[in-house]
Amino acid sequence: QKEVEQNSGPLSVPEGAIASLNCTYSDRVSQSFFWYRQYSGKSPELIMSIYSNGDKEDGRFTAQLNKASQYVSLLIRDSQPSDSATYLCAVNKGLDSGYALNFGKGTSLLVTP
Amino acid sequence: TAGITQAPTSQILAAGRSMTLRCTQDMRHNAMYWYRQDLGLGLRLIHYSNTAGTTGKGEVPDGYSVSRANTDDFPLTLASAVPSQTSVYFCASSPGGQSIEAFFGQGTRLTVV
Repeated sequence: QKEVEQNSGPLSVPEGAIASLNCTYSDRVSQSFFWYRQYSGKSPELIMSIYSNGDKEDGRFTAQLNKASQYVSLLIRDSQPSDSATYLCAVNKGLDSGYALNFGKGTSLLVTP
Repeated sequence: TAGITQAPTSQILAAGRSMTLRCTQDMRHNAMYWYRQDLGLGLRLIHYSNTAGTTGKGEVPDGYSVSRANTDDFPLTLASAVPSQTSVYFCASSPGGQSIEAFFGQGTRLTVV
């Protein structure tokens, strides 16, 4: 059973709209959550981290965390064609795995002009 | 700042041959990781190292070995390559601990024929 779940997409939104990306995780003791962006043929790039329940905003990006529901999301406001990429949700595995990240399979986002 | 450097960028390897994928970081991060990324399977942890001199097994360690002789270097060795090891390999590093973000190298695309 995959521990981090994401819809594979593709999620298509028009330029200027809000893109909403969702992720659920199974390990209740997880404490750290991350969103990575990966362009085709490139390596994952960290865009947001969140550790506490609630919202965290950074520019056009807002991460939302609800530990009770084991749910984390990423909102991208004023979406741009350059935001078209695969977005990976990652959850910290904890000490037993050296605090490595457990990744979802990613959601493909397409922003259309 | 170079960050994390992986070499080679790509490689075609005959089955049964051995190969070492190199990873060097200049951020003095304590923790380092090797992931493989396959279509439909996402990023999976192969091995990790919390600090120089220690290593641990991840989700898919079979057929791979690692060493961590110093802080900066974390090579991944395939002793006898098989076609199922065809993948994109990413090295990552983190300062260490549960709440710290991980940063990725540019990846090595390996094809075993």
